[in-house]
Amino acid sequence: GDSVTQMEGPVTLSEEAFLTINCTYTATGYPSLFWYVQYPGEGLQLLLKATKADDKGSNKGFEATYRKETTSFHLEKGSVQVSDSAVYFCALSVPGNTGKLIFGQGTTLQVKP
Amino acid sequence: NAGVTQTPKFRVLKTGQSMTLLCAQDMNHEYMYWYRQDPGMGLRLIHYSVGEGTTAKGEVPDGYNVSRLKKQNFLLGLESAAPSQTSVYFCASSQLPSTDTQYFGPGTRLTVL
Repeated sequence: GDSVTQMEGPVTLSEEAFLTINCTYTATGYPSLFWYVQYPGEGLQLLLKATKADDKGSNKGFEATYRKETTSFHLEKGSVQVSDSAVYFCALSVPGNTGKLIFGQGTTLQVKP
Repeated sequence: NAGVTQTPKFRVLKTGQSMTLLCAQDMNHEYMYWYRQDPGMGLRLIHYSVGEGTTAKGEVPDGYNVSRLKKQNFLLGLESAAPSQTSVYFCASSQLPSTDTQYFGPGTRLTVL
């Protein structure tokens, strides 16, 4: 079945460090791919998305490229800030008319000053 | 706009008790979803709805029931709570399936003793 695998956390970085969070997926058809972020005590909010192969999603300095050949959607940011500390979820949408999302297990990022 | 709201924010139940979680959205979205979030497991879909009057099972539906009598509301019921249902529950909504952003509520933390 469809699934999403994220790198294990937690990830601890110093401010201004480069961030990569790996995400790979298994899916039938052509899913859309998403990164959601969850700040402490809050619900999830969309960070970025890509709806077809080779698309690049970007927002707030974060980027991810939909790579069909490697079934990956890795999240990157060139210079993290303390305010980026959160849990990051990679997700795919099951093709069809239901809108169902399948989430990875989440990666906790802690950025230290 | 309030977006997606959830009631209550916290609840403690004893095994065997029942309760209903309410989700409301003011964005006129067609699609609504209930997820549960457990440590290390990401979010898993419980039930979803593709429009008023419709419901369908997700990945982990056992022990839960749902109703969507009004387009803006999506209710999640636990008829006989079990400790395994201790979790954080999130509601989400979207206008379109597959490629569209899902908007999440702030969550309900449920503990079953």
